[in-house]
Amino acid sequence: GQQVMQIPQYQHVQEGEDFTTYCNSSTTLSNIQWYKQRPGGHPVFLIQLVKSGEVKKQKRLTFQFGEAKKNSSLHITATQTTDVGTYFCADRETSYDKVIFGPGTSLSVIP
Amino acid sequence: KAGVTQTPRYLIKTRGQQVTLSCSPISGHRSVSWYQQTPGQGLQFLFEYFSETQRNKGNFPGRFSGRQFSNSRSEMNVSTLELGDSALYLCASSFQEGNTEAFFGQGTRLTVV
Repeated sequence: GQQVMQIPQYQHVQEGEDFTTYCNSSTTLSNIQWYKQRPGGHPVFLIQLVKSGEVKKQKRLTFQFGEAKKNSSLHITATQTTDVGTYFCADRETSYDKVIFGPGTSLSVIP
Repeated sequence: KAGVTQTPRYLIKTRGQQVTLSCSPISGHRSVSWYQQTPGQGLQFLFEYFSETQRNKGNFPGRFSGRQFSNSRSEMNVSTLELGDSALYLCASSFQEGNTEAFFGQGTRLTVV
């Protein structure tokens, strides 16, 4: 069945450093979504990527969808303590399949 | 607009008991999905409902069941609870089924002792 992998599992960065998490699927995706979950909180939707090679930016966050639509990345420039949390990618093969969440990347930011 | 509401927030049950969790989606949202979150397994998909019909089901035993009412509110039930069922159960609502943004509730923290 479809598998979604994320690397790294954990990342500790000094405040101000950049951070990147990668999401890889064993199958071609119809789209990919990214969520952020703060410690003790619930997942919050960040963005959805649909097109091959798509790049979207939200302030210091840059999201990319791979050309083959089998991988995606989230890059944070100049991390801040407010970026702490776990970042999940989520996808489905088609609009009618179940959603598969990646295992998440837990980001710690050292002030 | 009110967010997704899950009740109760916390629950302690003993092995063998059953439990029912409730989820009220955002007004106008017709799709509701349920997830189990544990430190070891991450976010695991349980089921997805749209217009009172189960659209998808995850790889969980038959002890886990759910339903959706005509007002889009949803419940999930777990029978014959096991210690391993201890988890955060999250409900998410979407305006429609398919590839749309999901809004999560705060979750119900279930502890089985």
